[in-house]
Amino acid sequence: GQQLNQSPQSMFIQEGEDVSMNCTSSSIFNTWLWYKQDPGEGPVLLIALYKAGELTSNGRLTAQFGITRKDSFLNISASIPSDVGIYFCAGSTNTGNQFYFGTGTSLTVIP
Amino acid sequence: SQTIHQWPATLVQPVGSPLSLECTVEGTSNPNLYWYRQAAGRGLQLLFYSVGIGQISSEVPQNLSASRPQDRQFILSSKKLLLSDSGFYLCACNRAWDGYTFGSGTRLTVV
Repeated sequence: GQQLNQSPQSMFIQEGEDVSMNCTSSSIFNTWLWYKQDPGEGPVLLIALYKAGELTSNGRLTAQFGITRKDSFLNISASIPSDVGIYFCAGSTNTGNQFYFGTGTSLTVIP
Repeated sequence: SQTIHQWPATLVQPVGSPLSLECTVEGTSNPNLYWYRQAAGRGLQLLFYSVGIGQISSEVPQNLSASRPQDRQFILSSKKLLLSDSGFYLCACNRAWDGYTFGSGTRLTVV
């Protein structure tokens, strides 16, 4: 299957700091998604991106669809304790209906 | 929008016992359905996916099997559980290139 490299693997930050994470693919994707998973729960969709160069925000979260279509970025501004969780990127080539997931970024926010 | 019901939330089973996890979908028809396993709260490993009734594709050879007896029902089974089957199991669905909707997960501990 497709390989998605997500980095960093984990982050420990102070409350109020900004967070950046990214995801790269060996293939061109036509759709990028970002999910957040709270402990013990299923992942929940945060942002969906459908066009190269697209920049989309959801509150303090901003995600971008890379120009090369092989990467995507997620930024969280002014982090708060409830931002804790695992963040996953996912991409689809649209040759099928399947999405491929990154390995996740574990975020810990220190109050 | 679709909703996924997944049960049970937690399960403790002895080695060698059978397994049946059920997932049902509301709010959509003819969805693509997926079973994922997540070990140690990290990456999502795709186990099975289904594009229609009775159509199952297996991604990883293992001790598990899946069935789709109805359009919106997806079942994960095992005849004899192994210790290595422990993990967090997630059911997901999507339509076309929509992002996945995940269930709340089942925490399986094999003892």
